[in-house]
Amino acid sequence: KNEVEQSPQNLTAQEGEFITINCSYSVGISALHWLQQHPGGGIVSLFMLSSGKKKHGRLIATINIQEKHSSLHITASHPRDSAVYICAVRRGGSQGNLIFGKGTKLSVKP
Amino acid sequence: SQTIHQWPATLVQPVGSPLSLECTVEGTSNPNLYWYRQAAGRGLQLLFYSVGIGQISSEVPQNLSASRPQDRQFILSSKKLLLSDSGFYLCASKQGAANYGYTFGSGTRLTVV
Repeated sequence: KNEVEQSPQNLTAQEGEFITINCSYSVGISALHWLQQHPGGGIVSLFMLSSGKKKHGRLIATINIQEKHSSLHITASHPRDSAVYICAVRRGGSQGNLIFGKGTKLSVKP
Repeated sequence: SQTIHQWPATLVQPVGSPLSLECTVEGTSNPNLYWYRQAAGRGLQLLFYSVGIGQISSEVPQNLSASRPQDRQFILSSKKLLLSDSGFYLCASKQGAANYGYTFGSGTRLTVV
């Protein structure tokens, strides 16, 4: 079993829909990251969370440390949101090494 | 803010040939540096990390090696590539403090033929 599990693996939505991507992890962590990977492969960091909730524009990320679960929400989705969204955790006590989920491929149709 | 330059973007190499991928970081000093690989259908996996010049830690046994000859330069190498070395290679940088996030390079897609 992977230490970081994401669901769903693939997600197709219509423009304007509210989207949720889930991430569960099985190790003790010091932080959780949500990343966005575009078709060319480059990765952009969206959020770093250790507790609670963060919001940036139409993106919202939440984390529940007790349940070892995080969600990434996209409100009013747009075709330009189409990308692979990756959850990654930094194991507590590590040198900052990240453990990555396999990613969720999101496609938003106009 | 930090910027990572990683090249080349794509590479097709024959089996048995050498490999050298380079990553340089701007806008910071003494960062932690990482090489990750994403094989087809799998998540990114840590290959090497470095907390300082000449300091390399390997997470998984493999056909690859890494070096950090300068503070902001991280190199991934192989003497003889295998087919299984194909994948997407990503360099990342992080300041040592816990509340700093990561910066990622644009990645190199390597195909070994």
